[in-house]
Amino acid sequence: GESVGLHLPTLSVQEGDNSIINCAYSNSASDYFIWYKQESGKGPQFIIDIRSNMDKRQGQRVTVLLNKTVKHLSLQIAATQPGDSAVYFCAENAGANSKLTFGKGITLSVRP
Amino acid sequence: DAGITQSPRHKVTETGTPVTLRCHQTENHRYMYWYRQDPGHGLRLIHYSYGVKDTDKGEVSDGYSVSRSKTEDFLLTLESATSSQTSVYFCATLMTSGTEQYFGPGTRLTVT
Repeated sequence: GESVGLHLPTLSVQEGDNSIINCAYSNSASDYFIWYKQESGKGPQFIIDIRSNMDKRQGQRVTVLLNKTVKHLSLQIAATQPGDSAVYFCAENAGANSKLTFGKGITLSVRP
Repeated sequence: DAGITQSPRHKVTETGTPVTLRCHQTENHRYMYWYRQDPGHGLRLIHYSYGVKDTDKGEVSDGYSVSRSKTEDFLLTLESATSSQTSVYFCATLMTSGTEQYFGPGTRLTVT
């Protein structure tokens, strides 16, 4: 069936470097994509979203890029900080009632 | 965080017993969702509600039922808990015109 997946299970970066987290999706009908951050013991927290009619969207220190041709989504975090250490999920919405399909998650570890 | 609370936050129960988890929101959001989170699977949708008394199945609904008798409460019931239902359960809400789902803090359920 349709699924959302991530290329790497873990990512370790040096504090101050930029981080790039990648996600592949398979449902070409998806029209909305979200990145969530989940800290240990907490629920997922919205980071940034993008609609399928866009290819780039910027937030505070974060940028999401969407490449519909290859069904690829990425999250870029500038000047990664220790507080960015968490599990990151991509999610896609392709159905009614805003149901989301989540990827399996990737752990971002920031080295001091 | 859309004023979402989940209760209980932790529960240990025995196989075969019924269990009900409660999600309560204070923002009058129309949509509510129940997810389970397991290692290697990310977040998977169990059931969702698009209004009072309006519910539908998600990806992994077998063994679960839900009820929504008022806007602020969404109950998830395991009629006869099994060990495979050991998981962390998250509730999420979405306003009618919104796109971002807000998540609660989660309930850790252990079935022995």
